[in-house]
Amino acid sequence: NAGVTQTPKFRILKIGQSMTLQCTQDMNHNYMYWYRQDPGMGLKLIYYSVGAGITDKGEVPNGYNVSRSTTEDFPLRLELAAPSQTSVYFCATRGGETQYFGPGTRLLVL
Amino acid sequence: EDKVVQSPLSLVVHEGDTVTLNCSYEVTNFRSLLWYKQEKKAPTFLFMLTSSGIEKKSGRLSSILDKKELFSILNITATQTGDSAVYLCVPRGSNYKLTFGKGTLLTVNP
Repeated sequence: NAGVTQTPKFRILKIGQSMTLQCTQDMNHNYMYWYRQDPGMGLKLIYYSVGAGITDKGEVPNGYNVSRSTTEDFPLRLELAAPSQTSVYFCATRGGETQYFGPGTRLLVL
Repeated sequence: EDKVVQSPLSLVVHEGDTVTLNCSYEVTNFRSLLWYKQEKKAPTFLFMLTSSGIEKKSGRLSSILDKKELFSILNITATQTGDSAVYLCVPRGSNYKLTFGKGTLLTVNP
């Protein structure tokens, strides 16, 4: 039982490049979330999903897209990377009242 | 706007000391309050509090909630270097919306 896994662990992007951050869970949780955490700041919700085929915007969705074709996977897409998207990205699921976080992806946009 | 304020923002203690971390919050349709420990990577779940005055304990850690005063504390007794981390107080509102603050950075020196 791996819980929540994220790939890659670290990535450097050039401005304007695109990439997909992968998130997979094996806990059969319906709710999944993407957060970003800037240095010294709290986590901010980017997008979330309440189940396969259903997604919704969080606090800071601009510059990102998501899809949820299966219960297990919730990828986050950056289309035109900008320096402001330099951050650590956490994927999480919710089981009952508790959120379970993945290990994070550190993204640097130069 | 929902908000959470934790104090102190950072704290340095010696092994064996007891610490108290404070959290005040304002959340629409408050449902529960979660405490997380965040070391180098993803936050890990510590406690969930839903009722006032009922202390939750896990080893050397304990926490209590005051829903009237919109306040919670996290106590750590006999601190160890492994307790060094950022501690996040995360109130939950309706629709499972979590509000993250900046946390308290605890450093335990040997």
